[in-house]
Amino acid sequence: DTGVSQNPRHKITKRGQNVTFRCDPISEHNRLYWYRQTLGQGPEFLTYFQNEAQLEKSRLLSDRFSAERPKGSFSTLEIQRTEQGDSAMYLCASSRFRLDFTGELFFGEGSRLTVL
Amino acid sequence: SQQGEEDPQALSIQEGENATMNCSYKTSINNLQWYRQNSGRGLVHLILIRSNEREKHSGRLRVTLDTSKKSSSLLITASRAADTASYFCATAPETSGSRLTFGEGTQLTVNP
Repeated sequence: DTGVSQNPRHKITKRGQNVTFRCDPISEHNRLYWYRQTLGQGPEFLTYFQNEAQLEKSRLLSDRFSAERPKGSFSTLEIQRTEQGDSAMYLCASSRFRLDFTGELFFGEGSRLTVL
Repeated sequence: SQQGEEDPQALSIQEGENATMNCSYKTSINNLQWYRQNSGRGLVHLILIRSNEREKHSGRLRVTLDTSKKSSSLLITASRAADTASYFCATAPETSGSRLTFGEGTQLTVNP
């Protein structure tokens, strides 16, 4: 079990640039989640996938944000035309879906984005 | 918006003391989970309590759930300096099995 892997761990970019984060979940997990966390706050839900299907997307996610999970394996989160307000830690988590909804999330170490 | 609200926002205690953190939520839930986060790191699952359970133990952790008050508490007994971290409650919706909603967290500092 290699855990959830996120890359890059840190990204500094200028306002207006595009950035992409990658998440490699635990291999047998069929669910993958993206959360955003700012300093001193709890994680805010962005979107989640079951296998390759994107099942829910937060209203917080503007049109500048897009996520994919081709073939139900790794996932990418792209932010276009970054703004300073996008500066945050982007957390990926995976889980195995259970019919009784008790699946726990396994988080990666996060990708920290700083927009100058 | 955040479903859970933790109380207190910050807690500072001495090693060996017990630490209690509270979480309130607004909607009906299937289960409530507690996670821990060390500074700058990802979150780690600690314990899950189902909506039909009232209390659960795991090592030095004790979780209670009161669905009538929509609240939960996490007790860490005999705290250690290594318990210093942020603690978050997260709720799973009653029927949909979709994503967890996290609270704002409690920052716990255990002084040696």
